[in-house]
Amino acid sequence: DAKTTQPTSMDCAEGRAANLPCNHSTISGNEYVYWYRQIHSQGPQYIIHGLKNNETNEMASLIITEDRKSSTLILPHATLRDTAVYYCIVRVANGNKLVFGAGTILRVKS
Amino acid sequence: NAGVMQNPRHLVRRRGQEARLRCSPMKGHSHVYWYRQLPEEGLKFMVYLQKENIIDESGMPKERFSAEFPKEGPSILRIQQVVRGDSAAYFCASSPPSRAYEQYFGPGTRLTVT
Repeated sequence: DAKTTQPTSMDCAEGRAANLPCNHSTISGNEYVYWYRQIHSQGPQYIIHGLKNNETNEMASLIITEDRKSSTLILPHATLRDTAVYYCIVRVANGNKLVFGAGTILRVKS
Repeated sequence: NAGVMQNPRHLVRRRGQEARLRCSPMKGHSHVYWYRQLPEEGLKFMVYLQKENIIDESGMPKERFSAEFPKEGPSILRIQQVVRGDSAAYFCASSPPSRAYEQYFGPGTRLTVT
């Protein structure tokens, strides 16, 4: 699975959009980008995933660059409950295990 | 549809005792995964099971740890002769057969070895 690079931490004002970047310059053509988050002391939560097209669901949007070497997770209106560690994971679709890096600590502040 | 259930939520064991952690996957999910999170560290994959089969145990320590997912009942992660270094949060996840990427995690079991 390709390695990802994320900033250690980010702050975001409540109600504003949170944009979390992820670099995955060695991604292969058959690898997807997945995002999970872990709110303090809870189990990780699946957010969204994509291959090359931008994706949107009720939680977030995922923007993947045309060369697929980086992506951005967007939380359109961050709330205090979005404070968590966000993990960007790259792997093939039929893979089984998730390889978690250090992730980005997102702090949403009022 | 109840989520992934894990019990106990907290488990205290003395060194040398056995720890048994249970995981009931979501209804309709036949794939179970176990992850471990040591204090102040990231989540690490341990083992992937389907009913009655271990598919990938590449993350399991070679000794004292075992896992099973029987035809009936929950998945069990068993740690024999626990040591202080086993103190961690153990998370179980499950996924439906057709969407293995979409893993749903339980609340975890926090094991403390005294």
